[in-house]
Amino acid sequence: GENVEQHPSTLSVQEGDSAVIKCTYSDSASNYFPWYKQELGKRPQLIIDIRSNVGEKKDQRIAVTLNKTAKHFSLHITETQPEDSAVYFCAASINFNKFYFGSGTKLNVKP
Amino acid sequence: SQTIHQWPATLVQPVGSPLSLECTVEGTSNPNLYWYRQAAGRGLQLLFYSVGIGQISSEVPQNLSASRPQDRQFILSSKKLLLSDSGFYLCAWRGGGSYNEQFFGPGTRLTVL
Repeated sequence: GENVEQHPSTLSVQEGDSAVIKCTYSDSASNYFPWYKQELGKRPQLIIDIRSNVGEKKDQRIAVTLNKTAKHFSLHITETQPEDSAVYFCAASINFNKFYFGSGTKLNVKP
Repeated sequence: SQTIHQWPATLVQPVGSPLSLECTVEGTSNPNLYWYRQAAGRGLQLLFYSVGIGQISSEVPQNLSASRPQDRQFILSSKKLLLSDSGFYLCAWRGGGSYNEQFFGPGTRLTVL
């Protein structure tokens, strides 16, 4: 099956700085790449996603980039705020059926 | 609107005891349903996936099983729990069609002692 690797496992930034989280996937058939935010003790929630026919997508302070050739995609958060502190997961899916998740990145935004 | 329920919210079980976790979805029909396990400080591992009643796909060999007796009901079971079964179990659903977000339930925190 698909193998998704995510880095770094922890990331600490100063408020206002940018944060970048990177993921790679193994199956070139994967065509949908969502990102989830999980606050402590809560369920993961979708924050942004991208399909394989798009190279970049932006939603306010959050953006995702996809490089199909290299099979990697990244989450970019600009002007970070303390409320951005959480665990972030990337995932890959083939045709929106099964979803394979990365191991997560714990982001700490220091005020 | 659609909602997803899971119960119980927390569960403490002895090793070797049986397990039954239930997930139900409201406000949609024929959803894709998923069971994930999240070990402490780890990512989400896909356990089971279902596209319809009685149709279950198992992702990893284990002592867990899943059933879908009704369209919007997904059950995770075990006959004998192991210590390694401890974790946060999340049910999720996705609507049919080619582009639908996956929504997670509130989760069940299982501790096996």
